[in-house]
Amino acid sequence: GENVEQHPSTLSVQEGDSAVIKCTYSDSASNYFPWYKQELGKGPQLIIDIRSNVGEKKDQRIAVTLNKTAKHFSLHITETQPEDSAVYFCAAERNTGFQKLVFGTGTRLLVSP
Amino acid sequence: DADVTQTPRNRITKTGKRIMLECSQTKGHDRMYWYRQDPGLGLRLIYYSFDVKDINKGEISDGYSVSRQAQAKFSLSLESAIPNQTALYFCATSNYNEQFFGPGTRLTVL
Repeated sequence: GENVEQHPSTLSVQEGDSAVIKCTYSDSASNYFPWYKQELGKGPQLIIDIRSNVGEKKDQRIAVTLNKTAKHFSLHITETQPEDSAVYFCAAERNTGFQKLVFGTGTRLLVSP
Repeated sequence: DADVTQTPRNRITKTGKRIMLECSQTKGHDRMYWYRQDPGLGLRLIYYSFDVKDINKGEISDGYSVSRQAQAKFSLSLESAIPNQTALYFCATSNYNEQFFGPGTRLTVL
């Protein structure tokens, strides 16, 4: 089955810096890669996703890149703000539409003012 | 009102006790999921249901059972709780595009 590895487990940056979180997946048939943000005391929430037919997707300060050959994808946050502090999870799915996701182990991002 | 609600939000129980965690949703989605979250292990799928008559085991179903009482309700049971089931449990629903998570239930088994 699918296995998703996520690094780093913790990441500390200064406000205004960029942050990058990386994930690798094992199943070459996976074709959907979402990123979820979990704020303290809340459930995860989707922030951005990418499908295997594109290499990059942007939404304001966040972007995701996908390298299918290397089987890895990354989340990029630019101009970080304290409210970006949270736990971020990557995930992968083989059959788009079924939403049967395999999650990474999470990255705790801390943005210091 | 929240779209996905979980009860209770916190529960402390003893080894061997039966416990039920409940999930309700007002989003009208057919698909519902139960996950557990442990530090350093991320979110792991316990069970999922694609409609009222469909129940499927996830990655870590041993020691758990579920009931899909209606489209809007999906319950998770621990028949005989053990300490390594201490975790944060999340219910989620989905359409074809994303999953919507509840606020979580923090379960402690002593």
